[in-house]
Amino acid sequence: SQQGEEDPQALSIQEGENATMNCSYKTSINNLQWYRQNSGRGLVHLILIRSNEREKHSGRLRVTLDTSKKSSSLLITASRAADTASYFCATEAGGTSYGKLTFGQGTILTVHP
Amino acid sequence: GAGVSQSPSNKVTEKGKDVELRCDPISGHTALYWYRQSLGQGLEFLIYFQGNSAPDKSGLPSDRFSAERTGGSVSTLTIQRTQQEDSAVYLCASSFEVQTTQYFGPGTRLTVL
Repeated sequence: SQQGEEDPQALSIQEGENATMNCSYKTSINNLQWYRQNSGRGLVHLILIRSNEREKHSGRLRVTLDTSKKSSSLLITASRAADTASYFCATEAGGTSYGKLTFGQGTILTVHP
Repeated sequence: GAGVSQSPSNKVTEKGKDVELRCDPISGHTALYWYRQSLGQGLEFLIYFQGNSAPDKSGLPSDRFSAERTGGSVSTLTIQRTQQEDSAVYLCASSFEVQTTQYFGPGTRLTVL
Protein backbone atom coordinates (compact mmCIF):
# COMPACT_ATOMS: atom_id res chain seq x y z
CA SER A 1 0.00 0.00 0.00
CA GLN A 2 1.14 3.55 -0.63
CA GLN A 3 1.56 5.73 2.44
CA GLY A 4 2.03 8.90 0.43
CA GLU A 5 -0.67 10.44 -1.65
CA GLU A 6 0.31 13.15 -4.04
CA ASP A 7 -1.64 15.80 -5.76
CA PRO A 8 -2.11 16.80 -8.37
CA GLN A 9 -1.63 13.56 -10.31
CA ALA A 10 -0.64 15.63 -13.33
CA LEU A 11 0.46 19.24 -13.71
CA SER A 12 0.99 21.14 -16.95
CA ILE A 13 2.62 24.59 -16.91
CA GLN A 14 4.55 27.00 -19.10
CA GLU A 15 8.28 27.49 -18.83
CA GLY A 16 9.09 30.15 -16.25
CA GLU A 17 6.08 29.40 -14.05
CA ASN A 18 6.31 27.83 -10.61
CA ALA A 19 5.17 24.26 -9.97
CA THR A 20 3.86 23.08 -6.61
CA MET A 21 3.30 19.43 -5.76
CA ASN A 22 1.83 18.17 -2.52
CA CYS A 23 2.27 14.96 -0.60
CA SER A 24 0.27 13.63 2.34
CA TYR A 25 1.08 10.63 4.48
CA LYS A 26 -0.57 8.67 7.24
CA THR A 27 1.91 7.61 9.91
CA SER A 28 4.72 9.28 11.84
CA ILE A 29 7.95 9.56 9.91
CA ASN A 30 11.66 10.03 10.48
CA ASN A 31 12.23 11.73 7.16
CA LEU A 32 10.62 12.48 3.83
CA GLN A 33 12.46 12.42 0.52
CA TRP A 34 11.55 13.81 -2.90
CA TYR A 35 12.70 12.10 -6.08
CA ARG A 36 12.44 12.84 -9.79
CA GLN A 37 12.09 10.20 -12.47
CA ASN A 38 12.45 10.87 -16.15
CA SER A 39 10.55 8.51 -18.38
CA GLY A 40 11.96 5.00 -18.16
CA ARG A 41 14.98 6.02 -16.10
CA GLY A 42 16.07 5.63 -12.49
CA LEU A 43 15.10 7.84 -9.60
CA VAL A 44 17.12 10.97 -8.94
CA HIS A 45 17.23 12.18 -5.36
CA LEU A 46 16.22 15.82 -4.88
CA ILE A 47 15.90 16.63 -1.18
CA LEU A 48 15.66 14.83 2.17
CA ILE A 49 13.88 16.66 4.98
CA ARG A 50 13.89 15.27 8.51
CA SER A 51 10.89 15.26 10.80
CA ASN A 52 12.36 18.03 12.96
CA GLU A 53 12.85 20.33 9.96
CA ARG A 54 10.21 22.58 8.46
CA GLU A 55 11.78 23.83 5.25
CA LYS A 56 14.76 23.09 3.00
CA HIS A 57 16.07 24.67 -0.16
CA SER A 58 18.21 23.38 -2.96
CA GLY A 59 18.70 25.65 -5.95
CA ARG A 60 15.26 26.22 -7.48
CA LEU A 61 13.67 23.65 -5.18
CA ARG A 62 11.92 24.38 -1.92
CA VAL A 63 10.46 21.67 0.29
CA THR A 64 8.26 22.22 3.30
CA LEU A 65 7.16 19.69 5.89
CA ASP A 66 4.23 20.02 8.28
CA THR A 67 4.24 17.02 10.59
CA SER A 68 1.08 18.17 12.38
CA LYS A 69 -0.79 17.92 9.07
CA LYS A 70 1.30 14.99 7.83
CA SER A 71 1.99 16.79 4.59
CA SER A 72 4.85 18.10 2.48
CA SER A 73 5.13 20.26 -0.59
CA LEU A 74 7.71 20.61 -3.32
CA LEU A 75 7.99 23.94 -5.09
CA ILE A 76 9.99 24.29 -8.28
CA THR A 77 10.53 27.93 -9.18
CA ALA A 78 11.15 29.33 -12.65
CA SER A 79 10.46 25.95 -14.26
CA ARG A 80 12.28 24.76 -17.38
CA ALA A 81 11.33 22.26 -20.05
CA ALA A 82 14.04 19.99 -18.60
CA ASP A 83 12.04 19.78 -15.34
CA THR A 84 9.46 17.66 -17.19
CA ALA A 85 9.38 14.37 -15.24
CA SER A 86 7.49 12.43 -12.60
CA TYR A 87 8.02 13.54 -9.03
CA PHE A 88 7.63 11.21 -6.06
CA CYS A 89 7.59 11.76 -2.35
CA ALA A 90 8.78 8.91 -0.16
CA THR A 91 8.56 8.58 3.59
CA GLU A 92 10.87 6.71 5.91
CA ALA A 93 9.43 5.77 9.27
CA GLY A 94 10.81 3.95 12.26
CA GLY A 95 9.71 0.78 14.00
CA THR A 96 8.71 -2.01 11.65
CA SER A 97 9.17 0.33 8.67
CA TYR A 98 12.80 1.06 9.51
CA GLY A 99 14.92 1.24 6.37
CA LYS A 100 11.96 1.19 4.03
CA LEU A 101 10.86 4.02 1.77
CA THR A 102 7.14 4.16 1.10
CA PHE A 103 6.38 6.03 -2.11
CA GLY A 104 3.43 8.03 -3.28
CA GLN A 105 1.92 7.52 -6.72
CA GLY A 106 3.72 10.55 -8.08
CA THR A 107 2.92 13.76 -9.91
CA ILE A 108 3.57 13.97 -13.64
CA LEU A 109 4.91 17.45 -14.40
CA THR A 110 4.96 18.76 -17.97
CA VAL A 111 6.69 22.07 -18.63
CA HIS A 112 5.93 23.52 -22.05
CA PRO A 113 8.65 25.62 -23.72
CA GLY B 1 32.55 8.32 -7.35
CA ALA B 2 30.44 5.92 -9.37
CA GLY B 3 26.76 5.60 -8.64
CA VAL B 4 24.69 2.49 -8.08
CA SER B 5 24.89 0.13 -11.02
CA GLN B 6 22.56 -2.68 -11.97
CA SER B 7 22.75 -5.48 -14.48
CA PRO B 8 21.34 -6.48 -16.79
CA SER B 9 19.52 -3.32 -17.86
CA ASN B 10 16.89 -5.40 -19.61
CA LYS B 11 15.93 -9.04 -19.20
CA VAL B 12 13.37 -10.97 -21.19
CA THR B 13 12.60 -14.46 -19.94
CA GLU B 14 10.04 -17.16 -20.37
CA LYS B 15 7.50 -17.99 -17.73
CA GLY B 16 8.85 -20.60 -15.34
CA LYS B 17 12.53 -19.69 -15.75
CA ASP B 18 14.73 -18.37 -12.95
CA VAL B 19 16.38 -14.95 -13.18
CA GLU B 20 19.14 -13.20 -11.25
CA LEU B 21 19.40 -9.45 -10.99
CA ARG B 22 22.58 -7.82 -9.77
CA CYS B 23 23.21 -4.58 -7.89
CA ASP B 24 26.53 -2.87 -7.20
CA PRO B 25 26.06 -0.20 -4.54
CA ILE B 26 28.05 2.96 -4.05
CA SER B 27 31.36 2.10 -2.41
CA GLY B 28 31.23 2.54 1.36
CA HIS B 29 27.43 2.37 1.59
CA THR B 30 26.40 -0.06 4.30
CA ALA B 31 22.70 -0.22 3.45
CA LEU B 32 21.26 -1.63 0.25
CA TYR B 33 17.62 -1.76 -0.85
CA TRP B 34 15.53 -3.44 -3.54
CA TYR B 35 12.30 -1.95 -4.88
CA ARG B 36 9.98 -2.85 -7.72
CA GLN B 37 8.09 -0.48 -9.97
CA SER B 38 5.13 -1.63 -12.02
CA LEU B 39 2.19 0.14 -13.62
CA GLY B 40 -0.40 -1.37 -11.35
CA GLN B 41 1.45 -1.24 -8.04
CA GLY B 42 3.67 1.83 -8.27
CA LEU B 43 6.96 1.71 -6.35
CA GLU B 44 7.08 -1.11 -3.80
CA PHE B 45 9.72 -1.93 -1.21
CA LEU B 46 11.02 -5.50 -1.42
CA ILE B 47 13.93 -5.95 0.99
CA TYR B 48 16.85 -4.11 2.55
CA PHE B 49 20.27 -5.12 3.81
CA GLN B 50 22.31 -3.67 6.61
CA GLY B 51 25.74 -5.06 5.86
CA ASN B 52 25.06 -8.63 4.76
CA SER B 53 21.97 -9.07 6.93
CA ALA B 54 18.39 -8.55 5.80
CA PRO B 55 16.42 -7.37 8.87
CA ASP B 56 13.22 -6.84 6.87
CA LYS B 57 12.09 -9.28 4.18
CA SER B 58 8.43 -8.40 4.55
CA GLY B 59 8.17 -6.85 1.12
CA LEU B 60 9.14 -9.94 -0.84
CA PRO B 61 5.95 -10.88 -2.75
CA SER B 62 6.34 -14.65 -2.43
CA ASP B 63 8.80 -17.38 -1.54
CA ARG B 64 9.91 -17.40 -5.18
CA PHE B 65 11.82 -14.21 -4.40
CA SER B 66 15.10 -14.23 -2.50
CA ALA B 67 18.05 -11.91 -2.15
CA GLU B 68 21.52 -12.03 -0.76
CA ARG B 69 24.39 -9.67 -0.23
CA THR B 70 27.98 -10.73 0.13
CA GLY B 71 31.02 -8.90 1.43
CA GLY B 72 28.86 -5.94 2.35
CA SER B 73 28.81 -4.99 -1.30
CA VAL B 74 27.16 -6.67 -4.30
CA SER B 75 23.61 -7.95 -3.96
CA THR B 76 21.67 -10.42 -6.08
CA LEU B 77 17.89 -10.63 -6.28
CA THR B 78 16.73 -14.03 -7.52
CA ILE B 79 13.27 -14.80 -8.82
CA GLN B 80 12.49 -18.48 -9.28
CA ARG B 81 9.85 -19.88 -11.61
CA THR B 82 9.02 -16.44 -12.97
CA GLN B 83 5.42 -15.48 -13.60
CA GLN B 84 4.02 -12.80 -15.90
CA GLU B 85 3.05 -10.68 -12.91
CA ASP B 86 6.75 -10.45 -12.03
CA SER B 87 7.24 -8.18 -15.05
CA ALA B 88 8.38 -4.82 -13.69
CA VAL B 89 11.38 -2.56 -13.29
CA TYR B 90 13.51 -3.71 -10.37
CA LEU B 91 15.35 -0.84 -8.71
CA CYS B 92 18.27 -1.06 -6.33
CA ALA B 93 19.35 1.74 -4.00
CA SER B 94 22.10 2.21 -1.45
CA SER B 95 22.72 4.62 1.39
CA PHE B 96 25.63 5.39 3.70
CA GLU B 97 23.57 4.01 6.54
CA VAL B 98 19.90 3.41 7.17
CA GLN B 99 17.77 6.55 7.49
CA THR B 100 20.00 8.56 5.17
CA THR B 101 19.55 9.48 1.53
CA GLN B 102 18.94 6.49 -0.73
CA TYR B 103 20.60 6.68 -4.15
CA PHE B 104 19.00 4.64 -6.87
CA GLY B 105 20.44 2.72 -9.78
CA PRO B 106 18.99 2.79 -13.30
CA GLY B 107 16.96 -0.38 -12.77
CA THR B 108 16.53 -3.70 -14.53
CA ARG B 109 13.46 -4.00 -16.73
CA LEU B 110 12.20 -7.58 -16.44
CA THR B 111 9.72 -8.91 -18.97
CA VAL B 112 8.26 -12.37 -18.45
CA LEU B 113 6.66 -13.79 -21.58
